[in-house]
Amino acid sequence: KQEVTQIPAALSVPEGENLVLNCSFTDSAIYNLQWFRQDPGKGLTSLLLIQSSQREQTSGRLNASLDKSSGRSTLYIAASQPGDSATYLCAVYSSASKIIFGSGTRLSIRP
Amino acid sequence: GAGVSQSPSNKVTEKGKDVELRCDPISGHTALYWYRQSLGQGLEFLIYFQGNSAPDKSGLPSDRFSAERTGGSVSTLTIQRTQQEDSAVYLCASSLDTNTGELFFGEGSRLTVL
Repeated sequence: KQEVTQIPAALSVPEGENLVLNCSFTDSAIYNLQWFRQDPGKGLTSLLLIQSSQREQTSGRLNASLDKSSGRSTLYIAASQPGDSATYLCAVYSSASKIIFGSGTRLSIRP
Repeated sequence: GAGVSQSPSNKVTEKGKDVELRCDPISGHTALYWYRQSLGQGLEFLIYFQGNSAPDKSGLPSDRFSAERTGGSVSTLTIQRTQQEDSAVYLCASSLDTNTGELFFGEGSRLTVL
Protein backbone atom coordinates (compact mmCIF):
# COMPACT_ATOMS: atom_id res chain seq x y z
CA LYS A 1 0.00 0.00 0.00
CA GLN A 2 1.40 3.37 -1.04
CA GLU A 3 2.18 5.75 1.79
CA VAL A 4 3.19 9.36 1.27
CA THR A 5 5.02 11.32 3.95
CA GLN A 6 5.89 14.99 4.11
CA ILE A 7 8.43 16.18 6.62
CA PRO A 8 8.50 18.62 8.29
CA ALA A 9 4.84 19.23 9.07
CA ALA A 10 5.57 22.92 9.54
CA LEU A 11 8.40 25.22 8.57
CA SER A 12 9.09 28.89 9.26
CA VAL A 13 11.88 30.78 7.49
CA PRO A 14 12.78 34.44 6.97
CA GLU A 15 11.97 36.10 3.70
CA GLY A 16 14.58 35.71 0.97
CA GLU A 17 15.80 32.28 1.98
CA ASN A 18 15.91 29.33 -0.36
CA LEU A 19 14.16 26.27 1.02
CA VAL A 20 13.39 22.65 0.26
CA LEU A 21 10.23 20.72 1.03
CA ASN A 22 10.34 16.94 1.09
CA CYS A 23 7.96 14.23 -0.04
CA SER A 24 8.68 10.53 0.33
CA PHE A 25 6.69 7.53 -0.87
CA THR A 26 6.98 3.83 -0.18
CA ASP A 27 6.15 2.28 -3.57
CA SER A 28 8.36 3.40 -6.45
CA ALA A 29 5.88 2.15 -9.09
CA ILE A 30 4.34 5.54 -9.73
CA TYR A 31 3.55 7.31 -12.94
CA ASN A 32 3.07 10.94 -11.88
CA LEU A 33 3.83 13.15 -8.90
CA GLN A 34 2.22 16.54 -8.46
CA TRP A 35 2.90 19.39 -6.07
CA PHE A 36 0.10 21.70 -4.88
CA ARG A 37 -0.29 24.66 -2.58
CA GLN A 38 -3.35 25.25 -0.46
CA ASP A 39 -4.19 28.59 1.09
CA PRO A 40 -6.46 28.63 4.17
CA GLY A 41 -10.06 27.97 3.28
CA LYS A 42 -9.25 27.42 -0.38
CA GLY A 43 -8.90 24.55 -2.80
CA LEU A 44 -5.61 23.16 -4.06
CA THR A 45 -3.62 25.02 -6.69
CA SER A 46 -1.43 22.95 -8.98
CA LEU A 47 2.22 23.97 -8.95
CA LEU A 48 4.14 21.33 -10.85
CA LEU A 49 3.49 17.90 -12.33
CA ILE A 50 6.37 15.48 -12.85
CA GLN A 51 5.74 12.46 -15.03
CA SER A 52 7.56 9.23 -14.20
CA SER A 53 9.97 9.59 -17.12
CA GLN A 54 11.05 13.03 -15.92
CA ARG A 55 13.58 13.94 -13.26
CA GLU A 56 12.50 17.52 -12.62
CA GLN A 57 10.20 20.34 -13.55
CA THR A 58 10.67 24.08 -13.15
CA SER A 59 8.25 26.97 -12.97
CA GLY A 60 9.57 30.38 -12.04
CA ARG A 61 11.12 30.20 -8.58
CA LEU A 62 9.94 26.62 -8.09
CA ASN A 63 11.83 23.46 -9.00
CA ALA A 64 10.56 19.97 -8.29
CA SER A 65 12.69 16.86 -8.57
CA LEU A 66 11.75 13.20 -8.62
CA ASP A 67 13.87 10.18 -7.71
CA LYS A 68 11.66 7.14 -8.05
CA SER A 69 14.30 4.65 -7.02
CA SER A 70 14.71 6.28 -3.63
CA GLY A 71 11.04 7.18 -3.30
CA ARG A 72 11.63 10.89 -2.93
CA SER A 73 10.60 14.20 -4.39
CA THR A 74 11.69 17.67 -3.37
CA LEU A 75 10.19 21.08 -4.01
CA TYR A 76 12.79 23.83 -4.05
CA ILE A 77 11.59 27.40 -3.56
CA ALA A 78 14.11 30.11 -4.37
CA ALA A 79 14.15 33.56 -2.79
CA SER A 80 11.08 32.94 -0.65
CA GLN A 81 8.44 35.67 -0.24
CA PRO A 82 5.65 36.17 2.32
CA GLY A 83 3.16 35.31 -0.44
CA ASP A 84 4.64 31.82 -0.54
CA SER A 85 3.14 31.13 2.89
CA ALA A 86 0.70 28.24 2.46
CA THR A 87 0.42 24.50 2.94
CA TYR A 88 2.26 22.51 0.30
CA LEU A 89 1.05 19.02 -0.59
CA CYS A 90 2.48 16.36 -2.80
CA ALA A 91 0.34 13.77 -4.54
CA VAL A 92 1.61 10.45 -5.82
CA TYR A 93 -0.17 8.73 -8.68
CA SER A 94 -0.02 4.95 -8.31
CA SER A 95 -2.80 4.57 -10.90
CA ALA A 96 -5.48 6.76 -12.46
CA SER A 97 -7.71 6.51 -9.42
CA LYS A 98 -5.15 5.83 -6.74
CA ILE A 99 -3.74 9.29 -6.10
CA ILE A 100 -2.36 9.45 -2.60
CA PHE A 101 -1.76 12.78 -0.90
CA GLY A 102 0.75 13.61 1.76
CA SER A 103 -0.46 15.45 4.83
CA GLY A 104 1.35 18.60 3.76
CA THR A 105 3.99 21.02 5.02
CA ARG A 106 2.69 24.28 6.42
CA LEU A 107 5.13 26.96 5.30
CA SER A 108 5.40 30.38 6.89
CA ILE A 109 7.67 33.06 5.43
CA ARG A 110 8.55 35.77 7.95
CA PRO A 111 8.88 39.29 6.49
CA GLY B 1 -15.56 26.80 -17.87
CA ALA B 2 -12.22 28.29 -16.94
CA GLY B 3 -11.84 26.20 -13.83
CA VAL B 4 -13.52 23.56 -11.72
CA SER B 5 -16.67 25.02 -10.22
CA GLN B 6 -18.30 23.71 -7.03
CA SER B 7 -21.54 24.64 -5.35
CA PRO B 8 -22.62 25.46 -2.78
CA SER B 9 -19.44 26.91 -1.29
CA ASN B 10 -20.93 26.55 2.18
CA LYS B 11 -23.73 24.35 3.43
CA VAL B 12 -25.07 24.11 6.97
CA THR B 13 -27.57 21.35 7.59
CA GLU B 14 -29.18 19.50 10.44
CA LYS B 15 -28.28 15.97 11.35
CA GLY B 16 -30.40 13.49 9.40
CA LYS B 17 -31.01 15.71 6.38
CA ASP B 18 -29.83 14.86 2.87
CA VAL B 19 -27.41 17.14 1.02
CA GLU B 20 -26.27 17.43 -2.59
CA LEU B 21 -22.97 18.90 -3.64
CA ARG B 22 -22.30 19.82 -7.24
CA CYS B 23 -19.13 19.84 -9.32
CA ASP B 24 -18.74 21.26 -12.81
CA PRO B 25 -15.34 20.17 -14.18
CA ILE B 26 -13.18 21.94 -16.70
CA SER B 27 -14.67 21.57 -20.15
CA GLY B 28 -13.24 18.56 -21.97
CA HIS B 29 -11.83 16.88 -18.87
CA THR B 30 -12.79 13.22 -18.86
CA ALA B 31 -11.63 12.32 -15.37
CA LEU B 32 -13.38 13.61 -12.23
CA TYR B 33 -12.53 12.98 -8.59
CA TRP B 34 -14.17 13.69 -5.25
CA TYR B 35 -12.09 14.06 -2.10
CA ARG B 36 -12.94 14.92 1.49
CA GLN B 37 -10.76 17.05 3.74
CA SER B 38 -11.62 17.11 7.42
CA LEU B 39 -10.32 19.86 9.70
CA GLY B 40 -6.56 19.55 10.00
CA GLN B 41 -6.56 16.28 8.05
CA GLY B 42 -5.26 15.17 4.70
CA LEU B 43 -7.28 14.48 1.59
CA GLU B 44 -9.41 11.35 1.63
CA PHE B 45 -10.32 9.84 -1.75
CA LEU B 46 -14.03 9.23 -2.22
CA ILE B 47 -14.84 8.39 -5.84
CA TYR B 48 -13.40 8.60 -9.36
CA PHE B 49 -15.13 8.85 -12.73
CA GLN B 50 -13.40 8.30 -16.07
CA GLY B 51 -15.42 8.78 -19.22
CA ASN B 52 -18.12 6.16 -19.58
CA SER B 53 -16.34 3.58 -17.45
CA ALA B 54 -17.79 2.30 -14.21
CA PRO B 55 -16.73 4.65 -11.40
CA ASP B 56 -14.24 3.64 -8.73
CA LYS B 57 -16.33 3.94 -5.55
CA SER B 58 -13.79 2.31 -3.27
CA GLY B 59 -13.33 5.42 -1.13
CA LEU B 60 -16.96 6.06 -0.23
CA PRO B 61 -17.12 5.73 3.58
CA SER B 62 -20.64 4.32 3.82
CA ASP B 63 -23.73 3.57 1.77
CA ARG B 64 -25.09 6.98 2.76
CA PHE B 65 -22.70 8.44 0.22
CA SER B 66 -23.33 8.24 -3.51
CA ALA B 67 -22.28 10.16 -6.59
CA GLU B 68 -23.25 10.35 -10.20
CA ARG B 69 -21.90 12.03 -13.26
CA THR B 70 -24.39 12.90 -15.94
CA GLY B 71 -23.42 13.21 -19.58
CA GLY B 72 -19.77 12.85 -18.74
CA SER B 73 -19.66 16.35 -17.27
CA VAL B 74 -21.36 17.63 -14.11
CA SER B 75 -21.16 15.45 -11.03
CA THR B 76 -23.31 15.40 -7.90
CA LEU B 77 -22.23 13.96 -4.57
CA THR B 78 -25.16 13.05 -2.35
CA ILE B 79 -24.96 12.39 1.36
CA GLN B 80 -28.10 10.91 2.89
CA ARG B 81 -29.06 11.14 6.55
CA THR B 82 -26.09 13.34 7.35
CA GLN B 83 -24.12 12.81 10.53
CA GLN B 84 -21.89 15.24 12.42
CA GLU B 85 -18.80 13.31 11.34
CA ASP B 86 -19.67 14.16 7.74
CA SER B 87 -18.69 17.78 8.44
CA ALA B 88 -15.73 18.52 6.17
CA VAL B 89 -14.70 20.27 3.00
CA TYR B 90 -15.61 18.28 -0.08
CA LEU B 91 -13.22 18.90 -2.95
CA CYS B 92 -13.73 18.06 -6.58
CA ALA B 93 -10.93 17.75 -9.13
CA SER B 94 -10.75 17.03 -12.83
CA SER B 95 -8.05 16.11 -15.30
CA LEU B 96 -7.85 16.05 -19.06
CA ASP B 97 -7.18 12.33 -19.19
CA THR B 98 -5.62 9.69 -17.03
CA ASN B 99 -2.33 9.67 -18.94
CA THR B 100 -1.73 13.41 -18.60
CA GLY B 101 -3.05 13.27 -15.10
CA GLU B 102 -2.57 16.86 -13.93
CA LEU B 103 -5.32 17.49 -11.41
CA PHE B 104 -7.16 20.78 -11.13
CA PHE B 105 -9.24 21.39 -8.02
CA GLY B 106 -12.29 23.46 -7.28
CA GLU B 107 -12.59 25.70 -4.23
CA GLY B 108 -14.54 23.08 -2.33
CA SER B 109 -17.89 22.85 -0.57
CA ARG B 110 -17.72 23.28 3.19
CA LEU B 111 -20.35 21.12 4.87
CA THR B 112 -21.33 21.64 8.48
CA VAL B 113 -23.74 19.20 10.08
CA LEU B 114 -25.30 20.48 13.30
